[in-house]
Amino acid sequence: EAGVAQSPRYKIIEKRQSVAFWCNPISGHATLYWYQQILGQGPKLLIQFQNNGVVDDSQLPKDRFSAERLKGVDSTLKIQPAKLEDSAVYLCASTPSTDTQYFGPGTRLTVL
Amino acid sequence: EDQVTQSPEALRLQEGESSSLNCSYTVSGLRGLFWYRQDPGKGPEFLFTLYSAGEEKEKERLKATLTKKESFLHITAPKPEDSATYLCAVGGQAGTALIFGKGTTLSVSS
Repeated sequence: EAGVAQSPRYKIIEKRQSVAFWCNPISGHATLYWYQQILGQGPKLLIQFQNNGVVDDSQLPKDRFSAERLKGVDSTLKIQPAKLEDSAVYLCASTPSTDTQYFGPGTRLTVL
Repeated sequence: EDQVTQSPEALRLQEGESSSLNCSYTVSGLRGLFWYRQDPGKGPEFLFTLYSAGEEKEKERLKATLTKKESFLHITAPKPEDSATYLCAVGGQAGTALIFGKGTTLSVSS
């Protein structure tokens, strides 16, 4: 079974630029999560989707971050404009239910 | 507020030297406690889910246990390939996301 796919794996941008990340969850998994993991910290939830509806986006900085999950499958996370403190690994995870989550390899973002 | 605290932050062991990692938690209505392994540059890899106090699960040299306030990840006779960061997470009420600890970075030298 294919795992969670993410791209790109690495991205370096200047502050105030925009960036987008893509996630393809495990086939059939209805729930999709985006986490932010800052170096030395555990992952922190940004947004949770159930199919193509948002379940929890309470910790998403909505002035600069946005996410969508069209057709209940792939998802994109966008940052515009990026700040230095957005440097982190962005992890996508999926689950067939709200139980065990399976993570992708992540996208490492560096904002200069 | 749901919270997860892991200790120690870092642990160095010699190959074959058994030890335990601790995960203390406070959560309203524990749905499950999860252990993940994370290698540098990779996403977390699922290890175990524990649902109720007294439950234990094993996988190779790893055994996870759960009480009402904490979980332990016991590592028996570790090998260098067990070196990684071990993350603990709790799931609260149904439908809510996981709350992760900061992790314990384990280094096993031969």
